[in-house]
Amino acid sequence: GAGVSQSPSNKVTEKGKDVELRCDPISGHTALYWYRQSLGQGLEFLIYFQGNSAPDKSGLPSDRFSAERTGGSVSTLTIQRTQQEDSAVYLCASSDRGHSNEKLFFGSGTQLSVL
Amino acid sequence: GENVEQHPSTLSVQEGDSAVIKCTYSDSASNYFPWYKQELGKGPQLIIDIRSNVGEKKDQRIAVTLNKTAKHFSLHITETQPEDSAVYFCAAFDSNYQLIWGAGTKLIIKP
Repeated sequence: GAGVSQSPSNKVTEKGKDVELRCDPISGHTALYWYRQSLGQGLEFLIYFQGNSAPDKSGLPSDRFSAERTGGSVSTLTIQRTQQEDSAVYLCASSDRGHSNEKLFFGSGTQLSVL
Repeated sequence: GENVEQHPSTLSVQEGDSAVIKCTYSDSASNYFPWYKQELGKGPQLIIDIRSNVGEKKDQRIAVTLNKTAKHFSLHITETQPEDSAVYFCAAFDSNYQLIWGAGTKLIIKP
C-alpha cells in the first residue's frame, strides 16, 4: 500500500473485553512504533520493533498491553481486560531506520472507546 | 533522559501573520529535531527537520532554527493560511535514538 494502514479505524468495546488493533506498515520499513494519544494530548510511546531485534516494550503501561510483529511486517497491539482509561487514539508508525532515515510515517490511528 | 518542553500549548494568529512555536530539550547529545503536523483525524506528518550541525533550515513558508548552546529549537511559519491550522509537535532524539515528543501546540488561524 501507499502508506501505513490501521484497522479498525474505530472500536467501541465494553469494559473488561479484550481488543486487537492492527497495523500494516509501509512495505520494507524495518521499524514499527505504537503510540497512544489521549484526547488533546501528546504522543505516548508504547512499543518499538526494529527488524529481528527484541522489541523495546518500555512504554507499555501495564501487563494488560502486549504487541507482536509477525514476519517483520504486520503488527497487532492487544489490550486485555480493557478499562475506561484505555480510551484513546492508538497510532502506528513505521520508518526505514536501516538507512539512517528517521522519518516516521503514521497511520490515521484507531479510536478506541471503552464503555 | 531526554525531556522536551513545547510552548505555547495554543497559538492563535491572524491569517497572513507569522507563527512561532518553541521547544527546549535537556540532552546536549541530541542531534536530530523534527517537527510534525497533525490534522484532525489523521496521524502526524513530518513537515521539516534539522540536525545539530545546522543552525537553520527553510522550506517555503516554514523554517526551523536551532540553538545548541541554549538547547532550544523553533518552528517559524510565515504568511499563515487556513490550512496551517493543526496541532504541531516537536521532538528530539534521546541517547537510544528514540524520539521524545513535546506536548503539542494547537495552531489556530483566524480569518
